[in-house]
Amino acid sequence: AQSVAQPEDQVNVAEGNPLTVKCTYSVSGNPYLFWYVQYPNRGLQFLLKYITGDNLVKGSYGFEAEFNKSQTSFHLKKPSALVSDSALYFCAVRDRGSGTYKYIFGTGTRLKVLA
Amino acid sequence: GAVVSQHPSRVICKSGTSVKIECRSLDFQATTMFWYRQFPKQSLMLMATSNEGSKATYEQGVEKDKFLINHASLTLSTLTVTSAHPEDSSFYICSATRNPGLADTQYFGPGTRLTVL
Repeated sequence: AQSVAQPEDQVNVAEGNPLTVKCTYSVSGNPYLFWYVQYPNRGLQFLLKYITGDNLVKGSYGFEAEFNKSQTSFHLKKPSALVSDSALYFCAVRDRGSGTYKYIFGTGTRLKVLA
Repeated sequence: GAVVSQHPSRVICKSGTSVKIECRSLDFQATTMFWYRQFPKQSLMLMATSNEGSKATYEQGVEKDKFLINHASLTLSTLTVTSAHPEDSSFYICSATRNPGLADTQYFGPGTRLTVL
């Protein structure tokens, strides 16, 4: 069965410091992996995705994520956090071998960047 | 590009009435749209997958007679909550994708907050 784990409910980081939001996944085949951000009372905004190729994926707003197949992880990173990055972040996976187009979402990690 | 809109953004209705929520892809043709439900401080729960011109595929436990989904065109899908009850109050979010077979990204609407009194 497919699953996504975001082990931290909340991450606090000081403005200007690097941030990491963790995500691990479990699929039977090869994954497509996604990160989305959600601001209060809004839908999800796409940040980046891994399909194939280079393990380091760069996305919107200075975010990047590294696909690590051996650790089945896809952690989201940013070198220097901004207060405006404070939001709810979701990792999602789709099993390319499953025959379904569904995403499985993690439970979300609330990022709080402190001024 | 890849903008998805939802209407209304917020709706309050009386118990027993029906509510229709629209999801539109504004600048692309969406072969597939998805409907999610999000409870406070929780993740997104997929309700159904909707393909243009065909019947929606509902997830286990989702009542298809209660949550009617229509995907009549490549830019519009609607979710109708029939005979709404207070437990249907939630944040409903749609997403759209051009070609899921090519791992195309799902683009999400801004959501609709439904409150049933």
